[in-house]
Amino acid sequence: KAGVTQTPRYLIKTRGQQVTLSCSPISGHRSVSWYQQTPGQGLQFLFEYFSETQRNKGNFPGRFSGRQFSNSRSEMNVSTLELGDSALYLCASSGGGINYGYTFGSGTRLTVV
Amino acid sequence: QKEVEQNSGPLSVPEGAIASLNCTYSDRGSQSFFWYRQYSGKSPELIMFIYSNGDKEDGRFTAQLNKASQYVSLLIRDSQPSDSATYLCAVRPSNFGNEKLTFGTGTRLTIIP
Repeated sequence: KAGVTQTPRYLIKTRGQQVTLSCSPISGHRSVSWYQQTPGQGLQFLFEYFSETQRNKGNFPGRFSGRQFSNSRSEMNVSTLELGDSALYLCASSGGGINYGYTFGSGTRLTVV
Repeated sequence: QKEVEQNSGPLSVPEGAIASLNCTYSDRGSQSFFWYRQYSGKSPELIMFIYSNGDKEDGRFTAQLNKASQYVSLLIRDSQPSDSATYLCAVRPSNFGNEKLTFGTGTRLTIIP
C-alpha cells in the first residue's frame, strides 16, 4: 500500500515568488492535513481538507491557501514568499474517525532566499 | 496556556533503562491521543494511540492516559540507541468530525549506550 506522497522534496525560491506543493494521500483516505514544521515552533497546523472541503484552518496569513481535488489529492500554495516561510511542509492523511492517527508524507523542504 | 505541552528535553536515558515521556493537554473533552516518533531529518511516524483511561501496551512501548488529570505519557522499556529521536504528543479535540491533531513541541530523547 503506497504511503503519502509529497512533491517536490526540496524547493528553493526567492522572496516574493509563489510556490505550490502537492500531496497524494494513501488510497482511500479522504482527510488531508497540512503542517508547517520549524525548529522554533514545532508542528503548526495549516489546514485540513475532507472531501474537497476545508474543515479547519490554522492561524496563518491569507498567503497560505490550499485545495483538495475529487481524488483526494491536495495542493497548498504560498504566495509572496517571505524568508520566514522557510520550513518543512508536511502533509498527512487519515482514514477518518477520532481514533485514526495521521500518516505523514516525507515532506517538502522549502527554502526562501 | 499551550494546548499541548511537553518537556522539550533533551532527556538522556541509559541503554536498557525505562524512558518516560510526558504530555499535558488543555482541552478536557479531547477524545484521542497519539505518540509520534520523529528521527532527525525525517517525518513523524505514529507509534501509539490511546483513547481510554489506563494503560495500553505494544511491545516495549506503553501509553498511559489519565483524562481526569489531563495527561498522557509514553514509557519505553529496555531503551535502545535506535529509540533516540524526538517524540511528539498529539491530541484530537472533542468536536465530532474534526480531524485536526494538535501537536506538542516534542521531547528530544537520547539513549546513551
